[in-house]
Amino acid sequence: EDKVVQSPLSLVVHEGDTVTLNCSYEVTNFRSLLWYKQEKKAPTFLFMLTSSGIEKKSGRLSSILDKKELSSILNITATQTGDSAIYLCAVEGYNNNDMRFGAGTRLTVKP
Amino acid sequence: DGGITQSPKYLFRKEGQNVTLSCEQNLNHDAMYWYRQDPGQGLRLIYYSQIVNDFQKGDIAEGYSVSREKKESFPLTVTSAQKNPTAFYLCASSDRAASNQPQHFGDGTRLSIL
Repeated sequence: EDKVVQSPLSLVVHEGDTVTLNCSYEVTNFRSLLWYKQEKKAPTFLFMLTSSGIEKKSGRLSSILDKKELSSILNITATQTGDSAIYLCAVEGYNNNDMRFGAGTRLTVKP
Repeated sequence: DGGITQSPKYLFRKEGQNVTLSCEQNLNHDAMYWYRQDPGQGLRLIYYSQIVNDFQKGDIAEGYSVSREKKESFPLTVTSAQKNPTAFYLCASSDRAASNQPQHFGDGTRLSIL
């Protein structure tokens, strides 16, 4: 059965800390891995990763995929209180309905 | 602006009642999806539709129904058969024909039982 596992489920840090969020997956016919940030409402798209070893970067956030290890990490450097959110990992296959989400990591950044 | 509009934001259901959640998109996307989000469980797929007049069950379709009569609209009905409907419901759409395009989400509807 396809599954996506995120860790940790919850994380509390202080402003300025660097965090690493993990996502591992088992999905047939892998197409892409996506990271979303969810504050109170709609998840907002962060990254889509399709190729192993190529880092994607946006400001203080970066992510990389390891297809050999079936995993991805999301790094956030110099965290700010505005980074507090649930970070969702999703994996997409080539089948019609395959967009499987992990349970999310709830990040809390304290001032 | 292009986007996905879900309504209402909050909805209350009485025992034995069917309720319908609205989802409209003006992104010209062919594919639309409904997810349910419970605390600690991430998003679970209820139904999805790749084209008009066609839809497929997701992982947790029991107690739900959908229709796709127009490309822009994909309403979800939570029927009285769904015994635990309290959750946050998210609608999404995507352009499946375009590679490397993520799903876009609406702001969600929070459903509670009265």
